[in-house]
Amino acid sequence: DTEVTQTPKHLVMGMTNKKSLKCEQHMGHRAMYWYKQKAKKPPELMFVYSYEKLSINESVPSRFSPECPNSSLLNLHLHALQPEDSALYLCASSQGVGGLDTQYFGPGTRLTVL
Amino acid sequence: SQKIEQNSEALNIQEGKTATLTCNYTNYSPAYLQWYRQDPGRGPVFLLLIRENEKEKRKERLKVTFDTTLKQSLFHITASQPADSATYLCALDMNSNSGYALNFGKGTSLLVTP
Repeated sequence: DTEVTQTPKHLVMGMTNKKSLKCEQHMGHRAMYWYKQKAKKPPELMFVYSYEKLSINESVPSRFSPECPNSSLLNLHLHALQPEDSALYLCASSQGVGGLDTQYFGPGTRLTVL
Repeated sequence: SQKIEQNSEALNIQEGKTATLTCNYTNYSPAYLQWYRQDPGRGPVFLLLIRENEKEKRKERLKVTFDTTLKQSLFHITASQPADSATYLCALDMNSNSGYALNFGKGTSLLVTP
């Protein structure tokens, strides 16, 4: 299984809602990532988990809260988001965290904040 | 600061021709450089990785070159097909004290017409 799955595919939420994005991989990868991508822009790194520990947080606002319950699962908890947070949220995984480790991406969750 | 530059203009070519995409970088000394393909509304898909001591890498109709003196990588698709139409992203490892992660260029949109 060489797939990264993400749910839901689409999410519409109000600014006062709390929701979660889910990502799963069964490739035995030890690193997992969250990216945010706006239209016609490159993926922008948000968080990196390495061996289930948060290793990089790219100064992301606290209204985004990541969680890695186990090595196969990565969540992104959303609370009190702003309309400008509307974007495609991509999850990725890699074998390790080195230069030779290519990343496998999921299809993304299209988030709209009203 | 570290910068990755890719042709911002879309590249339109005729089927059967060779497409050449450029990735330039500044303030990096990467040991590896990666190329990804992204289709609209989907996550990027890994294509090729090239090491700093490799001048050229090939995979089927794809060829990547890496010139660390010019700080440039070229990505070629020979005998291009309409199915090659997509956005192509180059990626380098980020300069992060917290660990390893990828930094993506803005991507070049390629359109191959019959």
